[in-house]
Amino acid sequence: EPEVTQTPSHQVTQMGQEVILRCVPISNHLYFYWYRQILGQKVEFLVSFYNNEISEKSEIFDDQFSVERPDGSNFTLKIRSTKLEDSAMYFCASRDSLNYGYTFGSGTRLTVV
Amino acid sequence: GEDVEQSLFLSVREGDSSVINCTYTDSSSTYLYWYKQEPGAGLQLLTYIFSNMDMKQDQRLTVLLNKKDKHLSLRIADTQTGDSAIYFCAEREDSSYKLIFGSGTRLLVRP
Repeated sequence: EPEVTQTPSHQVTQMGQEVILRCVPISNHLYFYWYRQILGQKVEFLVSFYNNEISEKSEIFDDQFSVERPDGSNFTLKIRSTKLEDSAMYFCASRDSLNYGYTFGSGTRLTVV
Repeated sequence: GEDVEQSLFLSVREGDSSVINCTYTDSSSTYLYWYKQEPGAGLQLLTYIFSNMDMKQDQRLTVLLNKKDKHLSLRIADTQTGDSAIYFCAEREDSSYKLIFGSGTRLLVRP
């Protein structure tokens, strides 16, 4: 079954450093998402992306965050200057225009120290 | 704004049925979802239901939707220890197609 692949599975970074979280969505999917889950809390929407631009972003997705689809396969989330409160599990998801189910990756656990 | 609520914890004995409940606020949501998260793992789509349906069955899983009360439930028949996980209810916000998740219900299956 097709999968959404995320790398790395775990990243530890120092506060103030830039991080890039990578995702390879399912190849024929057109809509891409990032969500995050702070430990013990709800899964929260960050941003949606379609046709090479952001469709919607949440209040969490401030100027420190950016997304990019640099080629036909990768979808990245960049955090420019990480803060302690950015520590969370980050999930990438994708769907196609016909499929009502969203396929999630297994997540990247980001720890900011 | 939209909100999705779930009870936090459910404990059942192996072989019993489990019922996980969820309430949501956005009456215009067209699709509602159940996801499963095992420890340290991602979100696995279990099933979804279209809002014009009352019930959907898929092997051991039965989803019931009461649209009037905005109540969704997931019943797992013959619950196994491998079903121990966190179960998330989610509604799709139709204006943006983003998912709004509940806090998750931790299901513990006792041998």
